[in-house]
Amino acid sequence: NAGVTQTPKFRVLKTGQSMTLLCAQDMNHEYMYWYRQDPGMGLRLIHYSVGEGTTAKGEVPDGYNVSRLKKQNFLLGLESAAPSQTSVYFCASHLGSSSYEQYFGPGTRLTVT
Amino acid sequence: GQSLEQPSEVTAVEGAIVQINCTYQTSGFYGLSWYQQHDGGAPTFLSYNALDGLEETGRFSSFLSRSDSYGYLLLQELQMKDSASYFCAYYQAGTALIFGKGTTLSVSS
Repeated sequence: NAGVTQTPKFRVLKTGQSMTLLCAQDMNHEYMYWYRQDPGMGLRLIHYSVGEGTTAKGEVPDGYNVSRLKKQNFLLGLESAAPSQTSVYFCASHLGSSSYEQYFGPGTRLTVT
Repeated sequence: GQSLEQPSEVTAVEGAIVQINCTYQTSGFYGLSWYQQHDGGAPTFLSYNALDGLEETGRFSSFLSRSDSYGYLLLQELQMKDSASYFCAYYQAGTALIFGKGTTLSVSS
């Protein structure tokens, strides 16, 4: 099992560019999450999904969109990147309502100049 | 509102015991989780308390008091490798895991 993987590991964008971050899990988990982590701010939830075809807003959803077309994949999109979106992005997955342990991917370091 | 509060930094020496406190404010509370994150790495799960009381896992223990909206993580026999950030978190509406800002633990020899 690879667990939770994220692509890419690093990326530099110019302001206004768009990109998609890919998260994949091979544990057949129902729930998937996207977080951003900034110094001193902990992990803040961007969007999450409780199943294929569903998405919901988290704490800081503005400027991001997500899609969960397949159960194993959760995509995070930035339509028009801004310097304020410079951060480390973590994806996580969770078996479902009968479990409570989240498994995290290795993170994507995004810099917007 | 909904929030989690924990100290930003804690320092201790090898072999000591340290307690990291977490207070929370939320509706529909399901339980309190704790995660560890080493610098630059992914967070990893440590424990989950759904009911009041103490849960022990090796050198780490976690406590919850639902009536006080309070929990703590207790680390015993501290080792240098325990230097990391520790986060408390709760499930909002049972689905979205919301994290506190984290406590940086520095263990010195």
